[in-house]
Amino acid sequence: NAGVTQTPKFRILKIGQSMTLQCTQDMNHNYMYWYRQDPGMGLKLIYYSVGAGITDKGEVPNGYNVSRSTTEDFPLRLELAAPSQTSVYFCASSSDDRGGQPQHFGDGTRLSIL
Amino acid sequence: GNSVTQMEGPVTLSEEAFLTINCTYTATGYPSLFWYVQYPGEGLQLLLKATKADDKGSNKGFEATYRKETTSFHLEKGSVQVSDSAVYFCALTGNTGGFKTIFGAGTRLFVKA
Repeated sequence: NAGVTQTPKFRILKIGQSMTLQCTQDMNHNYMYWYRQDPGMGLKLIYYSVGAGITDKGEVPNGYNVSRSTTEDFPLRLELAAPSQTSVYFCASSSDDRGGQPQHFGDGTRLSIL
Repeated sequence: GNSVTQMEGPVTLSEEAFLTINCTYTATGYPSLFWYVQYPGEGLQLLLKATKADDKGSNKGFEATYRKETTSFHLEKGSVQVSDSAVYFCALTGNTGGFKTIFGAGTRLFVKA
């Protein structure tokens, strides 16, 4: 069972470069999320989506963009990479955002910006 | 707004010791409560959950009881193993207003052989 798949697993960027972190899920979940996890810290919500075509900002959206053209895919775009965006990025999905439905996480993308 | 507070780590225990990781929350209404575990190099995995007051979630020897009177959801295990070394996150999903899941800061557990 694939679940939530993130690519790439590791990436090093130079300041000012752009890239897209890919996330796909095969569970037909409506809700998808992007988090960042800084060393020794918890998760901070960047963006989320409640279905195809619908996205909204989380706690820390600045410097990022998302799109949701299909139920399966939820890519995260960094336009002008900055050292402050060095982090581990997790994508997650859930069937609902209420009623006790858990989130399912990918294994993360470890991003360094130098 | 909703919030989750869990004990700071790291917590270091010897194998077969008793584990408690404290978690308290603030929320309106009746949230669902979760514990997630993160092993090195991996994403978070659901460990257990409880969706209403006095429910007990359990999995792999871990337990947590939803205590509405004390707004707590403490994680316990009677006898930890080296393989339990990981980071544990308490989380809640509210059922009023915004429905986004709120995660605690995480507690790192080290278990020594």
